[in-house]
Amino acid sequence: DARVTQTPRHKVTEMGQEVTMRCQPILGHNTVFWYRQTMMQGLELLAYFRNRAPLDDSGMPKDRFSAEMPDATLATLKIQPSEPRDSAVYFCASGRRDREYPYEQYFGPGTRLTVT
Amino acid sequence: QQQVKQSPQSLIVQKGGISIINCAYENTAFDYFPWYQQFPGKGPALLIAIRPDVSEKKEGRFTISFNKSAKQFSLHIMDSQPGDSATYFCAAGYTGANSKLTFGKGITLSVRP
Repeated sequence: DARVTQTPRHKVTEMGQEVTMRCQPILGHNTVFWYRQTMMQGLELLAYFRNRAPLDDSGMPKDRFSAEMPDATLATLKIQPSEPRDSAVYFCASGRRDREYPYEQYFGPGTRLTVT
Repeated sequence: QQQVKQSPQSLIVQKGGISIINCAYENTAFDYFPWYQQFPGKGPALLIAIRPDVSEKKEGRFTISFNKSAKQFSLHIMDSQPGDSATYFCAAGYTGANSKLTFGKGITLSVRP
């Protein structure tokens, strides 16, 4: 049963600390998305990659957030320094962009981040 | 500017009833309209999706109705069950968007026993 995995599932940290969230996309998927979910804003797209190259990170605060794909099996989202307003659930999703399935996205279980 | 708007914001339905969730979009370039279902503590999961070349798609108790001229689509859940209680997101995407989906804010459905 192929699924997206995310670590850690929960993270509590103090303001100013660096936070790294990791995602393992489904094997064979060539597109990876990072979302942030809050009650107020709903699901916000932060960044996404195709074939490990960043396509769009316009939804991400540039000064403190960064996203990378060191290899095809790992995507990372870093926040440095973290702030209380970053508290949210961060989801990774993966998909494959081909003719038959250009849009389907499979979400991971999320990382619940609390910044105190 | 919110390109995909859902209504109502929340919905309470009795077991066995029909749940109807509506979604309106603005960008006429959208050509893919999925609904995602999210249970507490889980990530959203694709429930059902439709393309604009059909007006309706049914999968089990779930039906999408699509009205291209009104730029609206809706999710109907027949014979609603308590297990359907979740948050539902509509979304939209188009070929030029590199697989990116624009999500609505989500609505919470509660099905009372």
